[in-house]
Amino acid sequence: DVKVTQSSRYLVKRTGEKVFLECVQDMDHENMFWYRQDPGLGLRLIYFSYDVKMKEKGDIPEGYSVSREKKERFSLILESASTNQTSMYLCASIGSRGGTGELFFGEGSRLTVL
Amino acid sequence: AQKITQTQPGMFVQEKEAVTLDCTYDTSDQSYGLFWYKQPSSGEMIFLIYQGSYDEQNATEGRYSLNFQKARKSANLVISASQLGDSAMYFCAMRTPLGQGGSEKLVFGKGTKLTVNP
Repeated sequence: DVKVTQSSRYLVKRTGEKVFLECVQDMDHENMFWYRQDPGLGLRLIYFSYDVKMKEKGDIPEGYSVSREKKERFSLILESASTNQTSMYLCASIGSRGGTGELFFGEGSRLTVL
Repeated sequence: AQKITQTQPGMFVQEKEAVTLDCTYDTSDQSYGLFWYKQPSSGEMIFLIYQGSYDEQNATEGRYSLNFQKARKSANLVISASQLGDSAMYFCAMRTPLGQGGSEKLVFGKGTKLTVNP
């Protein structure tokens, strides 16, 4: 089975802590994405990457950074967590342009910042 | 900028009836793709259907069909013969190429919560 794996399903952190959310895919996909999902706001794109060491800002990049040192791994970093970053974080990947368009999602990481 | 608009925060439908979930999009690209995802209360994202911008026929997958009206920039999801298990959040999304070596951007709408009543 194809798979996108997020390292932690649930995390509780304190304000000011540095937080790493890891995402690994085994489909050799070029494009990977980080979204946050909040009630009433849908999925909002934080950052995405189309190749190793390449990254692009999404619609809400403030307070976040990313790292893609290997093709299969895309990490989201909260340098100094704040309470307004409490959310569900979803990682996803998709293959090259075209095809069925299916985006593969991880199970999500629910982050609570106290 | 690419944008997806879902104007229905919530929809109700009787079991066995058909329902249409609205989605409009905004892009200046000629090549793009539109898709729908279902998210039940369990939280997983389930791929439903995909429509490419150059596809001439509307996409269909079982009870799901996508009513693609390119000139109006709409991509409504039609669910026929609703079932109780269709109760979930539904997200419309769009993928657009960015031109840098295969990079793509994917944006989602805010979602529509569908409730199927017995």
